[in-house]
Amino acid sequence: QKEVEQNSGPLSVPEGAIASLNCTYSDRGSQSFFWYRQYSGKSPELIMSIYSNGDKEDGRFTAQLNKASQYVSLLIRDSQPSDSATYLCAVVNDYKLSFGAGTTVTVRA
Amino acid sequence: DGGITQSPKYLFRKEGQNVTLSCEQNLNHDAMYWYRQDPGQGLRLIYYSQIVNDFQKGDIAEGYSVSREKKESFPLTVTSAQKNPTAFYLCASSIVGQTGEKLFFGSGTQLSVL
Repeated sequence: QKEVEQNSGPLSVPEGAIASLNCTYSDRGSQSFFWYRQYSGKSPELIMSIYSNGDKEDGRFTAQLNKASQYVSLLIRDSQPSDSATYLCAVVNDYKLSFGAGTTVTVRA
Repeated sequence: DGGITQSPKYLFRKEGQNVTLSCEQNLNHDAMYWYRQDPGQGLRLIYYSQIVNDFQKGDIAEGYSVSREKKESFPLTVTSAQKNPTAFYLCASSIVGQTGEKLFFGSGTQLSVL
């Protein structure tokens, strides 16, 4: 079983809609969770971090964490064409980041 | 400006050749990392180092080697033993214990086989 798994994409959403991304992780002891955005050919950039159960909102982004279910999600509200990218879920294990395979999101104008 | 510099941006390897990817940071970070990314996949950890003159294997270290002689530098050598080296290589650094929220990435090196 992979340490971090993301729902398979690609995900296509119309402009203004909500994009929903899901991630599960295998290490029940993990405490730190992150979402990175990566444009094609570029390095990842951190967009959200979450450490406690519940929701965390930052602008149009909302991260949700459920440690009992070992589940992390990212919602992108009012999706814009500039949100078209690959979104990587990452979990800290033993001071190292483990990444999921990523979900590619395309926002249709 | 502080940051991480990777070079070259593009690199081509001939069969049987060793090639070295450069990674330099001026952020005064103790921890440095090398990741490999294949098309449509996430990042996989090759090697990491939390202090000068010490480094550990990540999940896919076979066919790669590193050194950490200076705090600022963490070069990665792709040896001839790595049979499928074509990938996007990312170097990153962080303060020890702050991996994730303070992880800084370089701009990457695309390695291809001739």
